[in-house]
Amino acid sequence: TQLLEQSPQFLSIQEGENLTVYCNSSSVFSSLQWYRQEPGEGPVLLVTVVTGGEVKKLKRLTFQFGDARKDSSLHITAAQPGDTGLYLCAGRLTSGTYKYIFGTGTRLKVLA
Amino acid sequence: EAQVTQNPRYLITVTGKKLTVTCSQNMNHEYMSWYRQDPGLGLRQIYYSMNVEVTDKGDVPEGYKVSRKEKRNFPLILESPSPNQTSLYFCASSLFKRQGSYNEQFFGPGTRLTVL
Repeated sequence: TQLLEQSPQFLSIQEGENLTVYCNSSSVFSSLQWYRQEPGEGPVLLVTVVTGGEVKKLKRLTFQFGDARKDSSLHITAAQPGDTGLYLCAGRLTSGTYKYIFGTGTRLKVLA
Repeated sequence: EAQVTQNPRYLITVTGKKLTVTCSQNMNHEYMSWYRQDPGLGLRQIYYSMNVEVTDKGDVPEGYKVSRKEKRNFPLILESPSPNQTSLYFCASSLFKRQGSYNEQFFGPGTRLTVL
């Protein structure tokens, strides 16, 4: 059972365009993280959101945690070729387990 | 340099031949974990460990074993590998908090395993 659904799965856009990636679940998470993974490497953390409704900005990237802590979004403004990669959301459930759940991933390609 | 190392990086083996993938971290992290990554399925957690001698199952533990005898090492053991265990494997480590749970996981470079 995939608890974290990401959309879209694939996205190919031109440099300068904006985009939003969504991470949705029917479960409540104590926190959600976004990672970026480049070919041949392990994922690298971009941000962690903890509080429902929280918004965090990292240069041109804006992350939001849903009010009910079941969903999150990543918005990129004026995408650049260097943003190309696989974006993964991940979280830990609130139910006392210490497992991590990862989303299915969004593969982004930004064309120059 | 703070890092998570995995060995080997690439491995081709045959069905039934026991193998071990090693994972080591130098950051004194309590939490360590193994994931497998398959196309369209994202990363799925196999096993995790909250500290020495404390391990628990993730979402896909069948066919795998782990041990945590030392804080820095967390080997993944496949006693009798099968072709459906062909995958890209990642080890990760982080600090551990029971509450809040917002510690960054640091990932190793990955081990690409092929079971024929």
